Amino acid sequence: TQLLEQSPQFLSIQEGENLTVYCNSSSVFSSLQWYRQEPGEGPVLLVTVVTGGEVKKLKRLTFQFGDARKDSSLHITAAQTGDTGLYLCAGRYNNNDMRFGAGTRLTVKP
Amino acid sequence: DAGITQSPRHKVTETGTPVTLRCHQTENHRYMYWYRQDPGHGLRLIHYSYGVKDTDKGEVSDGYSVSRSKTEDFLLTLESATSSQTSVYFCAISEGRRNTEAFFGQGTRLTVV
Repeated sequence: TQLLEQSPQFLSIQEGENLTVYCNSSSVFSSLQWYRQEPGEGPVLLVTVVTGGEVKKLKRLTFQFGDARKDSSLHITAAQTGDTGLYLCAGRYNNNDMRFGAGTRLTVKP
Repeated sequence: DAGITQSPRHKVTETGTPVTLRCHQTENHRYMYWYRQDPGHGLRLIHYSYGVKDTDKGEVSDGYSVSRSKTEDFLLTLESATSSQTSVYFCAISEGRRNTEAFFGQGTRLTVV
């Protein structure tokens, strides 16, 4: 059983549409990070959220950390083909153990 | 790009043979991690290290061992490779504070036949 559950597992949308992906857990994390991974590459950090209820914006991407620090969401506005990729959430514990969800594979079609 | 190098990048080995994967960093980061990535499972933590000679198990540590004799090197060993260990292996490094970024290597594709 995955410690962090991501949904949906796959998402295929048209360019210009909005989307939200979710990351849920029963564990409390000291911080939660979102990474994006391209084929043949390692994941690259998009954002870190630390405080319960925190909202961070990165251009068209909005990240939210749940009040109880157990869940998070990533919202993309007006998706572009360049947003295509695997989106991974990672929860970090106080001992720096870092666990990942299974990921959401996003395809944005022109 | 963070200075993190994995070697080899690709390897095919036979069942029952020992295999060692190397992760080398030039960032002097305290924490180093080994993950495996399989379809439908994302990245699963095998072992991690929080300092020289200090390591701990992750969620899928059976069949794997690690060593860290120097800050810059973290070795992952499969004592007797099995087909279930066919995967893409990623090394990551981190300074260690809870909100700091983890940097990943390019990955090693291991096939056990």
